[in-house]
Amino acid sequence: GAGVSQSPSNKVTEKGKDVELRCDPISGHTALYWYRQRLGQGLEFLIYFQGNSAPDKSGLPSDRFSAERTGESVSTLTIQRTQQEDSAVYLCASSLGPTYEAFFGQGTRLTVV
Amino acid sequence: GQNIDQPTEMTATEGAIVQINCTYQTSGFNGLFWYQQHAGEAPTFLSYNVLDGLEEKGRFSSFLSRSKGYSYLLLKELQMKDSASYLCADRSFQKLVFGTGTRLLVSP
Repeated sequence: GAGVSQSPSNKVTEKGKDVELRCDPISGHTALYWYRQRLGQGLEFLIYFQGNSAPDKSGLPSDRFSAERTGESVSTLTIQRTQQEDSAVYLCASSLGPTYEAFFGQGTRLTVV
Repeated sequence: GQNIDQPTEMTATEGAIVQINCTYQTSGFNGLFWYQQHAGEAPTFLSYNVLDGLEEKGRFSSFLSRSKGYSYLLLKELQMKDSASYLCADRSFQKLVFGTGTRLLVSP
């Protein structure tokens, strides 16, 4: 595609429910990142995929968070048993590789009520 | 860890020059990025430094000193539309980690 696409753009969910966020990277981009951005704050690294290597999951805040990516295609970020503190914008980015600029999607705004 | 430090907020006047500093931990360093983020929007790429020195790109320039773990973004001829957050990002051990960002307010 022309750019990184994320869906849904907005999600409101009840506390305790599971949510799945989707990211379609730019075609051919081997690197994919997920970040969380709370209101007025910086980007918090969550997870990094590079090709078929094992992902760097060091930023996932708890075992309620998980992410998958098949090859160099779509990635999904799953949050189980959502809590109010999970409310944030979740941003996905992709790049041609580790030394190339990352392009961001418009994010998914998650609100847990 | 990858502690990245940058000032929280800066103010400047239209037409002026502003320098936004960023320090980072040097272990596993593999490049320093600057991004711009307007409120409610996704970050957009500004510059990338992997070697020491100054990279100039129009009104924006970025500098890197690897030995000091230091970078700065220089914005010249400030315009009102430059009011945004400027994010310093360190690529160490492959992953890309961002600082908390510097909110720049440009006033007339």
